[in-house]
Amino acid sequence: QQQVKQSPQSLIVQKGGISIINCAYENTAFDYFPWYQQFPGKGPALLIAIRPDVSEKKEGRFTISFNKSAKQFSLHIMDSQPGDSATYFCAALSGSNYQLIWGAGTKLIIKP
Amino acid sequence: KAGVTQTPRYLIKTRGQQVTLSCSPISGHRSVSWYQQTPGQGLQFLFEYFSETQRNKGNFPGRFSGRQFSNSRSEMNVSTLELGDSALYLCASSSGHTLHTEAFFGQGTRLTVV
Repeated sequence: QQQVKQSPQSLIVQKGGISIINCAYENTAFDYFPWYQQFPGKGPALLIAIRPDVSEKKEGRFTISFNKSAKQFSLHIMDSQPGDSATYFCAALSGSNYQLIWGAGTKLIIKP
Repeated sequence: KAGVTQTPRYLIKTRGQQVTLSCSPISGHRSVSWYQQTPGQGLQFLFEYFSETQRNKGNFPGRFSGRQFSNSRSEMNVSTLELGDSALYLCASSSGHTLHTEAFFGQGTRLTVV
C-alpha cells in the first residue's frame, strides 16, 4: 500500500512533442505529490508538486494532472526539448509520515 | 546560498568494511533525509533527522545507521559492507517546518563495494 507505481520505464519523444509520464498509488493518506527531475551525476531536483485538492497544476511547459478517485497522477511536458532529457521521478508523502515514497523513475529522451 | 554538500563524492570499499558518509545541509535547514539509489530499485528511504532526532526510518537492516549533529550536519554509517550496498547515497535537506517543504538534494556519494 506504500508503493507508487510509475510508467513507462523509458520514453522517447520527438522535439516539440508532448511527454507523458504516469503514476498510481494505493495509500489514500498520501496528500502531497511532487515530481523530481534528475540529470546524470546530479541529485534529483523538485520540478513541480500538487496536493489532492486540485486536479491540475501548470508551471511553464510542465503540468501535473491529478485524478483523486482513480488514485493516479501524471506529468505532461509540452513542447518537449532536448534539454528535458533526464530521469523523472514521481513521489508521494502522507501528512503523518516524514518519508517520501518514490516511483521507479522514467528515463526520458527527447530526439532533436 | 550554498547547496547540500555530500562528501566524499566517490568511495570504494571492500566487503566487510564499514563506511561513513557526510552531508552538510543548506544553511538554516534542520531536516536531513538519506536515500539509497540503485538502477533497479529507484530511491529507497533510509532515515530522516530533524533537530538531532530521527523522525522516521525506512526498511533497511541495522547495519545502516545515522545521526545528526547540533549544526544539522548529518552522517550515515554502513557497517559490515555487502556487495549489494553498492549504490548512490543521496542526502536531502529541507527546513522541515512542515511536512511538505521542498527537499533539496546533494549530488550524492557513489559507493562501490568490491
